Amino acid sequence: GAVVSQHPSRVICKSGTSVKIECRSLDFQATTMFWYRQFPKKSLMLMATSNEGSKATYEQGVEKDKFLINHASLTLSTLTVTSAHPEDSSFYICSATWLVNEQFFGPGTRLTVL
Amino acid sequence: GQQLNQSPQSMFIQEGEDVSMNCTSSSIFNTWLWYKQDPGEGPVLLIALYKAGELTSNGRLTAQFGITRKDSFLNISASIPSDVGIYFCAGITGNQFYFGTGTSLTVIP
Repeated sequence: GAVVSQHPSRVICKSGTSVKIECRSLDFQATTMFWYRQFPKKSLMLMATSNEGSKATYEQGVEKDKFLINHASLTLSTLTVTSAHPEDSSFYICSATWLVNEQFFGPGTRLTVL
Repeated sequence: GQQLNQSPQSMFIQEGEDVSMNCTSSSIFNTWLWYKQDPGEGPVLLIALYKAGELTSNGRLTAQFGITRKDSFLNISASIPSDVGIYFCAGITGNQFYFGTGTSLTVIP
């Protein structure tokens, strides 16, 4: 099956710093990548949708200046959490898809902001 | 985005029992998907359904695409401890992808 990787798997940072999370589709080209946030025992909450070479589409309530998304190629998307604060601590998961089809998820990144 | 209604929200069952969960919506979907998420991991695709009425199996798992195209069911037979996790349904309509609220499964050895 399709493989999606995320890096790093865990990151701890100080409040006010920025953190970059990478999402890569390893064995297929992804027309679209999605970024989700998940709180404990909750479903995945879509943050934004990104298509290669164009600006990301953010869900209502998600600050685009805080969560910067870059989708530079058909196999790589990055999420940068700028000026992170403790309330940004969460589990961030990306997924990738070819056209509008099944989404394949990365293993997630646990972000802890001190 | 919109979320699909999944039930039950959580289940506690004895090892060896069968499990049934479902996903419903007021909207019609063209594709139904079932994922499993282990703690601290991303969801993994279990079964994909593309046609109304379709019944598909993956080992001990069986899923069905409802005839009305507004629902889907997932059954797990003879549960084992490693079935523990959160099961999510997802539906695709047009170019939109919607997630279910999740069913948390606990299997008691």
